[in-house]
Amino acid sequence: DTEVTQTPKHLVMGMTNKKSLKCEQHMGHRAMYWYKQKAKKPPELMFVYSYEKLSINESVPSRFSPECPNSSLLNLHLHALQPEDSALYLCASRKTGGRTSTDTQYFGPGTRLTVL
Amino acid sequence: KQEVTQIPAALSVPEGENLVLNCSFTDSAIYNLQWFRQDPGKGLTSLLLIQSSQREQTSGRLNASLDKSSGRSTLYIAASQPGDSATYLCAVRGIYNTDKLIFGTGTRLQVFP
Repeated sequence: DTEVTQTPKHLVMGMTNKKSLKCEQHMGHRAMYWYKQKAKKPPELMFVYSYEKLSINESVPSRFSPECPNSSLLNLHLHALQPEDSALYLCASRKTGGRTSTDTQYFGPGTRLTVL
Repeated sequence: KQEVTQIPAALSVPEGENLVLNCSFTDSAIYNLQWFRQDPGKGLTSLLLIQSSQREQTSGRLNASLDKSSGRSTLYIAASQPGDSATYLCAVRGIYNTDKLIFGTGTRLQVFP
């Protein structure tokens, strides 16, 4: 099983709303990622969790708040977003623990977010 | 700073053609390189992963090569089909920060019947 799942598939929210995106994997991977992707652009890294600890924050505005409650789950809490935050949000996971050949990064299907 | 570029940006070919997608990177200090496929509005599907010590990887009609010293990788698609239409992204993982994938700009491929 090489599946990363994300919910919801689509989300429309106003600028005053609070919402959360959810990501789940059951591959035993210990690194999980959030990316933001605008149309016709490559994904941009936002956050990395390694062994449930935040290891990289790519200077993301505080209106995005990541959370990793356990090794299988990753959340992205959204608050007071702007219309320019509308994008496809992708979750990914990877097995860590050294330089092994099974270093493939697996992506979920994404959540299409629209901020009105 | 690592920069990854892909040429061409877009490609339209008739079904059955063999084609080559190119990926170039500026810093050869990489751990590995990964090729992905992305359908419109969807997530990324991993196609092939090449470790820095390898020269090529094959999966079905796909063959990816890596020349680390010259900073280049190619993705060869044999006997293209309309179902191959998608955006293809390459990404490198540097040895100094293995938690980060640096993506190329992508090649949008259309294969018409």
